[in-house]
Amino acid sequence: GAVVSQHPSRVICKSGTSVKIECRSLDFQATTMFWYRQFPKQSLMLMATSNEGSKATYEQGVEKDKFLINHASLTLSTLTVTSAHPEDSSFYICSARDSGVAGYTFGSGTRLTVV
Amino acid sequence: DAKTTQPPSMDCAEGRAANLPCNHSTISGNEYVYWYRQIHSQGPQYIIHGLKNNETNEMASLIITEDRKSSTLILPHATLRDTAVYYCIVRVDRTSYDKVIFGPGTSLSVIP
Repeated sequence: GAVVSQHPSRVICKSGTSVKIECRSLDFQATTMFWYRQFPKQSLMLMATSNEGSKATYEQGVEKDKFLINHASLTLSTLTVTSAHPEDSSFYICSARDSGVAGYTFGSGTRLTVV
Repeated sequence: DAKTTQPPSMDCAEGRAANLPCNHSTISGNEYVYWYRQIHSQGPQYIIHGLKNNETNEMASLIITEDRKSSTLILPHATLRDTAVYYCIVRVDRTSYDKVIFGPGTSLSVIP
């Protein structure tokens, strides 16, 4: 089946620095990818829709200048958390639209801790 | 997308069937019922989906009421590894480009 690889799985960074998270579709091309954020004991919250070759579409309340999304190829989307602060500490998950029965495959997530 | 309602938590004894309910009273005629689960600190995993007929695969069975306003996910013989948060989602099928929006889900605890 389709596989989405997310890297890194865990990252710790200092407050004020930027962190890049990669989401790759390993055996298929994904023109559309999604980025979610999940705080402890809460559900996944959709942040943005990433479309290959065009600007991402952000959900209401998500700062596009803080969460930079680039989808430069059919197999890679990146999320950069700029000037990270402790409140950005969260579990970030990507998903890619595929041709399988579910329609979407999710990555294994990235645990970001900002200290 | 239609909204869904699920109980926040459930317990199930190991080896017994786990029956997870979901209400989706405003579902549209072209919307499917999808179930995902999320084991702690992992990405969501697809389980099963259906339109109006009952469905079964190697992981679970999905029972959809005739009026399609509710459904039940059945894990026939729950194991400790089935402990997870289960999400019921209604959306148009995989040929559309709609987003997958998650509700709170049901936290299932399988007890030894």
